[in-house]
Amino acid sequence: QQQVKQSPQSLIVQKGGIPIINCAYENTAFDYFPWYQQFPGKGPALLIAIRPDVSEKKEGRFTISFNKSAKQFSLHIMDSQPGDSATYFCVLGQNFVFGPGTRLSVLP
Amino acid sequence: NAGVTQTPKFRILKIGQSMTLQCTQDMNHNYMYWYRQDPGMGLKLIYYSVGAGITDKGEVPNGYNVSRSTTEDFPLRLELAAPSQTSVYFCASSWEGGGYTFGSGTRLTVV
Repeated sequence: QQQVKQSPQSLIVQKGGIPIINCAYENTAFDYFPWYQQFPGKGPALLIAIRPDVSEKKEGRFTISFNKSAKQFSLHIMDSQPGDSATYFCVLGQNFVFGPGTRLSVLP
Repeated sequence: NAGVTQTPKFRILKIGQSMTLQCTQDMNHNYMYWYRQDPGMGLKLIYYSVGAGITDKGEVPNGYNVSRSTTEDFPLRLELAAPSQTSVYFCASSWEGGGYTFGSGTRLTVV
């Protein structure tokens, strides 16, 4: 079963910074690339997702950029806030496999 | 609209005991999944189902069994519990090719 490579493992930024989390995959057959956000003690929740027919999707302060040729997709958090501190997971849509997660801490 | 409901929320089992984790969804999703999450780690897929009567193994199926007799329910059975099964278990559901809705999780400790 294909794995997904997610980086970095952890990330600390100051309030207002722009953390970027990356995911890389191997198989080109996927057509759905979501990101999930998980707070401690809670289940993951869908944050934002992209289909490969577009290169970027923005929802509020969260942006996914998709590079089909490089087989990578990234999550950008604009004007990050302490409330964004959570673990973020990318998923290969039809593979049901989660990336290992990135623990983000946004300092006040 | 309850979404995905998991019961129980917490459970302590003794080694060798068995139990069933319940999961039900009211969104008429055809896909359902069971994941486990060890402390500080990512989610590992145990089993999934693409519709009633159809189940398939994920990454870590050993020690578990599932059934899917209805669209709404997807129980996970643990036989002969072992300390390695201490984890938080999440059930999720989705449309085909859509985002997941997760339950709130079951925290299981095997002692």
